[in-house]
Amino acid sequence: GDSVTQMEGPVTLSEEAFLTINCTYTATGYPSLFWYVQYPGEGLQLLLKATKADDKGSNKGFEATYRKETTSFHLEKGSVQVSDSAVYFCALFSGGYQKVTFGTGTKLQVIP
Amino acid sequence: NAGVTQTPKFQVLKTGQSMTLQCAQDMNHNSMYWYRQDPGMGLRLIYYSASEGTTDKGEVPNGYNVSRLNKREFSLRLESAAPSQTSVYFCATRTGNTQYFGPGTRLLVL
Repeated sequence: GDSVTQMEGPVTLSEEAFLTINCTYTATGYPSLFWYVQYPGEGLQLLLKATKADDKGSNKGFEATYRKETTSFHLEKGSVQVSDSAVYFCALFSGGYQKVTFGTGTKLQVIP
Repeated sequence: NAGVTQTPKFQVLKTGQSMTLQCAQDMNHNSMYWYRQDPGMGLRLIYYSASEGTTDKGEVPNGYNVSRLNKREFSLRLESAAPSQTSVYFCATRTGNTQYFGPGTRLLVL
């Protein structure tokens, strides 16, 4: 079945540092890929998505590129802020199964 | 436009008690989902509903029942709560390939 593996956290960075959170997936067919963000005490919000190979999703300075050859969708940001502190989830959707598969989440803490 | 709403926000139950978690959406989406979130486990799908009148089991359906009352509402029922059901529960809708989440219900079973 489908699965998503993302790097374990927590990840602690200083403000303005470069961020990478790794995500790899296993899926049949051609899934859509997502990053969701969860701020403390809130539900998940869509951060960015990509629907086909080589697409780059971007939002709020974050970006991720759909790499079919390496089955990866790594999240990057050039300069993190304290307000980026949250839990980040990688996910995929295979339309045939009507279900979204989530990774276990990576907690990011940014310190001033 | 409230999006996806959940009630209650927080609940404490004793083992063996029952309760229903409510979810409502005003986004006119056909698909709705119930997840539970536990530390280190990510989100696990309990049940989902592809459309009004249909429901299907997810990864962890044991101990839960659901009702898709109409297009707007999708409730999750715990008939006899157990401490293992202590968790944060999220309702979500889906349109196309994107999900929209409610704010969650934090449940503590003693």
